Amino acid sequence: EVLLVESGGGLVKPGGSLRLSCAASGFTFSSYPMNWVRQAPGKGLEWVSYISSASSYIYYADSVKGRFTISRDNAKNSLYLQMESLRADDTAVYYCAKGTAAGSPPFDPWGQGTLVTVSS
Amino acid sequence: EILMTQSPATLSVSPGERATLSCRASQSVNTNLAWYQQRPGQAPSLLIYGASTRATGVPARFSGSGSGTEFTLIISSLQSEDFAVYYCQQYNKWPPVTFGQGTRLEIK
Repeated sequence: EVLLVESGGGLVKPGGSLRLSCAASGFTFSSYPMNWVRQAPGKGLEWVSYISSASSYIYYADSVKGRFTISRDNAKNSLYLQMESLRADDTAVYYCAKGTAAGSPPFDPWGQGTLVTVSS
Repeated sequence: EILMTQSPATLSVSPGERATLSCRASQSVNTNLAWYQQRPGQAPSLLIYGASTRATGVPARFSGSGSGTEFTLIISSLQSEDFAVYYCQQYNKWPPVTFGQGTRLEIK
């Protein structure tokens, strides 16, 4: 069974930093691109970032560019999101999601999410 | 950036009846369109990709159609577990990947 488990969320003050992790199992992690998608409370889905299987291609949403850094460790089957200069509008549940072997969406499956709250 | 617009925002349907959800793209996405279901308190899950191909394990009562800018998700006979929020997503021209704002399917 393919499983994605996020961790690292929590309460952080504006301007602070946080590092999210996503542990993958049940598939050959190093063969698939990965993504972060977030969902603000009561709102829709917003794609945040993409990383290709070998980390050769990395993309960000404009809303997080320059503040967030995506990375992966294929030896540890893990995906990361380093978040800096956090703002109140970064408050959301953050999901990691597996892409296709072709390198593109769709996303399947998704992890259960980890909540990040940015508040003073 | 391609804008995805879903309609209606909320759809009220009785169990056993048919639900029709729409998704429109601001420019052609060919058939690079996916649908996701999100039940309350859960992560989204993939229903349809390539506009019309059901993901593994998705019941046959779910069907997708369309190409270009107009897409439809039909649930032929609603079961209790189908009442959820549905999102469309385009992946024809990315980044960024973009989602519609969602349609909430509620029990009438």
